[in-house]
Amino acid sequence: GAGVSQSPSNKVTEKGKDVELRCDPISGHTALYWYRQSLGQGLEFLIYFQGNSAPDKSGLPSDRFSAERTGGSVSTLTIQRTQQEDSAVYLCASSLVRARPDGYTFGSGTRLTVV
Amino acid sequence: EDKVVQSPLSLVVHEGDTVTLNCSYEVTNFRSLLWYKQEKKAPTFLFMLTSSGIEKKSGRLSSILDKKELFSILNITATQTGDSAVYLCAVELQGGSEKLVFGKGMKLTVNP
Repeated sequence: GAGVSQSPSNKVTEKGKDVELRCDPISGHTALYWYRQSLGQGLEFLIYFQGNSAPDKSGLPSDRFSAERTGGSVSTLTIQRTQQEDSAVYLCASSLVRARPDGYTFGSGTRLTVV
Repeated sequence: EDKVVQSPLSLVVHEGDTVTLNCSYEVTNFRSLLWYKQEKKAPTFLFMLTSSGIEKKSGRLSSILDKKELFSILNITATQTGDSAVYLCAVELQGGSEKLVFGKGMKLTVNP
């Protein structure tokens, strides 16, 4: 597609439920990143994919968070047993060239609200 | 701990004013500093700075980096209502990490 597509754009879930957030990167972009933006905070790095592997997953806040990428394309971020502090906007970005942040294209994000 | 601090955190100006946004950083392995504009949700890239003292310009926007004093400024001249957004400063770390460390962002409101 023309840009990075994320779905759903908004998700309201009950505390304790699992959620899946999806990211469709720009076709051919090998690098994919997930960031989280909580209210009043800056973007916080979660995980980086190069192809299907994740060389840096140091930002995942707990073992309730996991992510995968298949076919070098679509990525899914899964949050199990959601908590209220998980409420945030989850942003995905992709890049054609590894480690070139000026080449990042961000998606419009998923706003997750845990009630 | 790697840290990026932006100031002010919010600013309200009138169309035509000039604004200066500040970003200071304290990181272990600096590679570059980036500025993004965020309207609604998706940040869009503005500038990437790697060398001190070299100003980057794009229309009414310009930015410069001081690696000795560990800060950068983003200037916007002759502001327009379309400049209203959150401006994000981020530092790219060197040494194999692919991540950016972001500041909290500065919310700019330009009133007509």
